[in-house]
Amino acid sequence: AQSVTQPDIHITVSEGASLELRCNYSYGATPYLFWYVQSPGQGLQLLLKYFSGDTLVQGIKGFEAEFKRSQSSFNLRKPSVHWSDAAEYFCAVGAGSSNTGKLIFGQGTTLQVKP
Amino acid sequence: DVKVTQSSRYLVKRTGEKVFLECVQDMDHENMFWYRQDPGLGLRLIYFSYDVKMKEKGDIPEGYSVSREKKERFSLILESASTNQTSMYLCASSGDPLTSDTQYFGPGTRLTVL
Repeated sequence: AQSVTQPDIHITVSEGASLELRCNYSYGATPYLFWYVQSPGQGLQLLLKYFSGDTLVQGIKGFEAEFKRSQSSFNLRKPSVHWSDAAEYFCAVGAGSSNTGKLIFGQGTTLQVKP
Repeated sequence: DVKVTQSSRYLVKRTGEKVFLECVQDMDHENMFWYRQDPGLGLRLIYFSYDVKMKEKGDIPEGYSVSREKKERFSLILESASTNQTSMYLCASSGDPLTSDTQYFGPGTRLTVL
């Protein structure tokens, strides 16, 4: 069965520091992978996605993620965090070939940014 | 841009009331989803629909039903609201052939059942 694990429930970084949020997935075939961000009281906004091709994908707001098949990981990175990046981040995996479009979400990582 | 709208941002209801949460998308998407989000539990899928009048149970369908009479609208129904259904409810849609499984979310409805 598909599953997604975000090992870090809560992360605190200083403004201007680099950031890496971890995501590990379990899926038998090549997955479709997503990162979403949720600001307090809001819905989820797509940051980036990986379907195929280049394993390093660029997203909005200066975020990038790297797909590593050998490690079953899709970690999210940002070189310099801004205070406005404080939010909850969700990794998700999709079946790709499915016609229902279901995604499996991780539990989320809450990012706090210190001034 | 894809737009998914939800009928209310905040809703307060009493135990036993019938509650309707409405979701509308404007991108002609085939698939629509209802999730609930609770602290520490992430997003849990309640129901989804992959076509008009078609629906499937998600992970936590108990106490909920859904209706999809038109492609753009997906309603979540709490037949008899209970306090343990106090939560944030998120609607999403997907199905654009170019973006595959990418789901687009509404702003959420925070439901409080007293």
